[in-house]
Amino acid sequence: AQSVTQLGSHVSVSEGALVLLRCNYSSSVPPYLFWYVQYPNQGLQLLLKYTTGATLVKGINGFEAEFKKSETSFHLTKPSAHMSDAAEYFCAVSVPGSGNTGKLIFGQGTTLQVKP
Amino acid sequence: EAGVTQFPSHSVIEKGQTVTLRCDPISGHDNLYWYRRVMGKEIKFLLHFVKESKQDESGMPNNRFLAERTGGTYSTLKVQPAELEDSGVYFCASSQDRARQYFGPGTRLTVT
Repeated sequence: AQSVTQLGSHVSVSEGALVLLRCNYSSSVPPYLFWYVQYPNQGLQLLLKYTTGATLVKGINGFEAEFKKSETSFHLTKPSAHMSDAAEYFCAVSVPGSGNTGKLIFGQGTTLQVKP
Repeated sequence: EAGVTQFPSHSVIEKGQTVTLRCDPISGHDNLYWYRRVMGKEIKFLLHFVKESKQDESGMPNNRFLAERTGGTYSTLKVQPAELEDSGVYFCASSQDRARQYFGPGTRLTVT
């Protein structure tokens, strides 16, 4: 069975500071990994995903994440926070393969606050 | 290209009443998913359609929940009768290849 743990339900950073949102997963097979963002009153938007290949994945809005198999982690980073990054972020996994449905298993979510 | 749409955006009903949520996926997406987020908890998978067929219902909480997907297009999720613990945000997502899901804005359901 798969599971996802996001460390910290709330993270606060100053504008211009590094953003680091942590995600650890558990999976019996190599998973697909995702980060989604939800802005207020909107649906979930895909930031980036890892399926295979290069372990450093670049996404939209300057975010990136690195898949570290040995640490079972997929932490999300952004070098310099912007006020518009304030939102809730979700890490998720799915099990690849034609026999699987592609359903996503989500972490608890991390709310990012950006202070001026 | 229109995104995934959900209706209504909010619904407030009394315990024991019936509510039907609707999801219109992106045109051409055979895969449709329902998820739910109860207050303070993680987003949880409910079920998965491929066209009009249910592929995975493992996340449906109980038999008060009924999902349908007419003709492989839009989907409805009916809760009958609603209970207090059904309150939460219900998300729909669609996908062409299962590798990426596109989410709707969600329906916030409040059962009083």
